[in-house]
Amino acid sequence: NAGVTQTPKFRVLKTGQSMTLLCAQDMNHEYMYWYRQDPGMGLRLIHYSVGEGTTAKGEVPDGYNVSRLKKQNFLLGLESAAPSQTSVYFCASSYAVPSGSSIPGPDTQYFGPGTRLTVL
Amino acid sequence: GENVEQHPSTLSVQEGDSAVIKCTYSDSASNYFPWYKQELGKRPQLIIDIRSNVGEKKDQRIAVTLNKTAKHFSLHITETQPEDSAVYFCAASTGAGNKLTFGGGTRVLVKP
Repeated sequence: NAGVTQTPKFRVLKTGQSMTLLCAQDMNHEYMYWYRQDPGMGLRLIHYSVGEGTTAKGEVPDGYNVSRLKKQNFLLGLESAAPSQTSVYFCASSYAVPSGSSIPGPDTQYFGPGTRLTVL
Repeated sequence: GENVEQHPSTLSVQEGDSAVIKCTYSDSASNYFPWYKQELGKRPQLIIDIRSNVGEKKDQRIAVTLNKTAKHFSLHITETQPEDSAVYFCAASTGAGNKLTFGGGTRVLVKP
């Protein structure tokens, strides 16, 4: 049981280049999230998904796209990278229903190890 | 949308003393309040959480209190140890999509 994994761990891009970050979870979680963390700041939600084939915008979605073709994977794409996208990116996942409950609601989000992205 | 403010931004305590971090939230519909610990270069990890139907929760040296009327919640760490040194984040969720809104973080340094 690997939990939440992210690929790659580090990446350096030039302005205008594109890339895709992969998040995978083996906990059968329905919900998945992408956050960015900038120095001295908390985590900000970029996009999230409440199930296979669904995505929604978070707090800071501009410049990013996502896809969730399979339940276990959540992809984050940068079509044309900008220096402002230099950050550490974390993926997270959670169940839709808290353990011990039959009612959908917030539950523990488990985070991946992060991807450190630098855009020159 | 939800807004979470966290204070203080840095906290230095002597080993064995207590540490308290406070957070306020804006959306009265928020019903889930987790606390995450993040060590340098590592991922955030849940240390304790509380739901709106509970006023206090304790787990060994860590406790969280929630005041729904005032819309604030606090993390209490007793008998601090050097391994408690890390950045702590509070968060709040209304349940919609289970989205979390995080506070800005508190860097805690426990001096031996």
